[in-house]
Amino acid sequence: GENVEQHPSTLSVQEGDSAVIKCTYSDSASNYFPWYKQELGKRPQLIIDIRSNVGEKKDQRIAVTLNKTAKHFSLHITETQPEDSAVYFCAASKPWGGKLIFGQGTELSVKP
Amino acid sequence: GAGVSQSPSNKVTEKGKDVELRCDPISGHTALYWYRQRLGQGLEFLIYFQGNSAPDKSGLPSDRFSAERTGESVSTLTIQRTQQEDSAVYLCASSLVRLLTYNEQFFGPGTRLTVL
Repeated sequence: GENVEQHPSTLSVQEGDSAVIKCTYSDSASNYFPWYKQELGKRPQLIIDIRSNVGEKKDQRIAVTLNKTAKHFSLHITETQPEDSAVYFCAASKPWGGKLIFGQGTELSVKP
Repeated sequence: GAGVSQSPSNKVTEKGKDVELRCDPISGHTALYWYRQRLGQGLEFLIYFQGNSAPDKSGLPSDRFSAERTGESVSTLTIQRTQQEDSAVYLCASSLVRLLTYNEQFFGPGTRLTVL
């Protein structure tokens, strides 16, 4: 069935370092790949997304890459700051407003 | 404008009781989704409503779970005969689905359900 695997489950970095989170999806029909940030006790917030017709997208310190052949996508955060500390979820969905299949999450800790 | 809202924010109930959770989507959003998030885990899809189409119920874990949506507005998720394993945060999301656009979903704050 549909599945999204996310690694690592926890990630600790020093402030200013880069962080990379990787996801693999199983359904080749998926064409939309969002990333959500969830702070403790808060709702998930979309931080960046990528569609299947592009291989990379950047927004300031965050970037996402997509390899459709290998069915994996990654989140890159550069120059990490303590306020980046949160749980990050990747997800995948098929066209036309389908459900999101989420990865299990990565708890990112940025140490000052 | 207003975001997705959910009520109640917290619900404590006894095992075996029924509960109803409510979601108000963003006005004009045609699609509405329910997810469940157990402590320290990812979001599990439960059910999806899109316009007048039949809902996608493929994620409902048992027949104790059901949901309704009136037109393109409020939705209620009902859990009958609650069990302790139903304890989780139930998140609602909505999105505007149009031809040739994608599926950005906006989440509500969730309802934290505790079954004693």
